[in-house]
Amino acid sequence: GENVEQHPSTLSVQEGDSAVIKCTYSDSASNYFPWYKQELGKRPQLIIDIRSNVGEKKDQRIAVTLNKTAKHFSLHITETQPEDSAVYFCAENNYGQNFVFGPGTRLSVLP
Amino acid sequence: EAQVTQNPRYLITVTGKKLTVTCSQNMNHEYMSWYRQDPGLGLRQIYYSMNVEVTDKGDVPEGYKVSRKEKRNFPLILESPSPNQTSLYFCASRGVSYEQYFGPGTRLTVT
Repeated sequence: GENVEQHPSTLSVQEGDSAVIKCTYSDSASNYFPWYKQELGKRPQLIIDIRSNVGEKKDQRIAVTLNKTAKHFSLHITETQPEDSAVYFCAENNYGQNFVFGPGTRLSVLP
Repeated sequence: EAQVTQNPRYLITVTGKKLTVTCSQNMNHEYMSWYRQDPGLGLRQIYYSMNVEVTDKGDVPEGYKVSRKEKRNFPLILESPSPNQTSLYFCASRGVSYEQYFGPGTRLTVT
């Protein structure tokens, strides 16, 4: 079945530095790639997403890049702040049917 | 307020005692889904439904049942729960934009 790998599993950065999380997927038919942020004890929330016909998307300090040839996509967070500390999940989806999530990355932003 | 609700939020039960976790959304979404979340494994899809009376297996459907008799509700049924179904469960719904909205989660313990 489909598989999504996510690296690193934990990431610590100094406040103000950038953080990059990378996901690799296996289903070449996937066309939607969301990123979710989950704070401790809360539900996952969508922070940014990208469709297969786009190579990059930005929203303020957050950006996602997609390389369909290599089947990987990455989350970039610039000027990190302590409130960015959370677990981040990538996912892939094929025409709205089943979603497959990566195992998550625990990001810690150190003040 | 647009939302996905789940009940109960916490449940402790014994092996073999049938239980149902309810999920309801008020956004008129056609797509609904159930996930379980376990440490180090991310979110794994159990079942999803593209519309009323249409359900499909996700990655981990064994031991679970679902039904979709009306658009707003998508209950998860454990006919004979076992300890390996102890987990955090999330219901989600999705509109035409592909963005998934998650419920608050149900923490289930099976002893």
